[in-house]
Amino acid sequence: AQKVTQAQTEISVVEKEDVTLDCVYETRDTTYYLFWYKQPPSGELVFLIRRNSFDEQNEISGRYSWNFQKSTSSFNFTITASQVVDSAVYFCALRTSGTYKYIFGTGTRLKVLA
Amino acid sequence: NAGVTQTPKFRILKIGQSMTLQCTQDMNHNYMYWYRQDPGMGLKLIYYSVGAGITDKGEVPNGYNVSRSTTEDFPLRLELAAPSQTSVYFCASSFPGQTPQETQYFGPGTRLLVL
Repeated sequence: AQKVTQAQTEISVVEKEDVTLDCVYETRDTTYYLFWYKQPPSGELVFLIRRNSFDEQNEISGRYSWNFQKSTSSFNFTITASQVVDSAVYFCALRTSGTYKYIFGTGTRLKVLA
Repeated sequence: NAGVTQTPKFRILKIGQSMTLQCTQDMNHNYMYWYRQDPGMGLKLIYYSVGAGITDKGEVPNGYNVSRSTTEDFPLRLELAAPSQTSVYFCASSFPGQTPQETQYFGPGTRLLVL
């Protein structure tokens, strides 16, 4: 069975602090895809990144970076020098190659305080 | 392109009433999905479709029905609304396999309150 666990329900940081959001996944498939989405207070879901299981290269996009480690089944998301606009709920998701279903974690609510 | 559109944005239903949530995408995506998001919770898959005429149940299909007569439209029908169906409903579409940025494109959501 596939599963995504985001153990951090809510995190509060002060602006300019770095913060890491954890995502642990479970799957027996060797080919799968991992995603991160952002849901700001306005409610829409915004795609942030997709990572394939055969590509363990870490990715950096501005203040955002993602650390994919197959050995620990983790796909963690780090925001460097957080800003108030980063306040949102962040979801990690998994899709395996044999299905068209996306499995979402329960989300981590990030509060960045000014 | 408008992407994924959903109507209505907000609706109040009385217990036992029925309604249809509309979802349309203009990206020619084969795959479409309906999720519900309860307050403070993650997304749960209700139904999905891999093409016109093909639908399948997700995690929480009870109390809902779907149809997919065209590639663009994927309406969600609520029969006999119950307070437990109070939620925000998101429609999404995707074209799995598109590289490198395959993802689901989400609509803005429909907020439903059943009283």
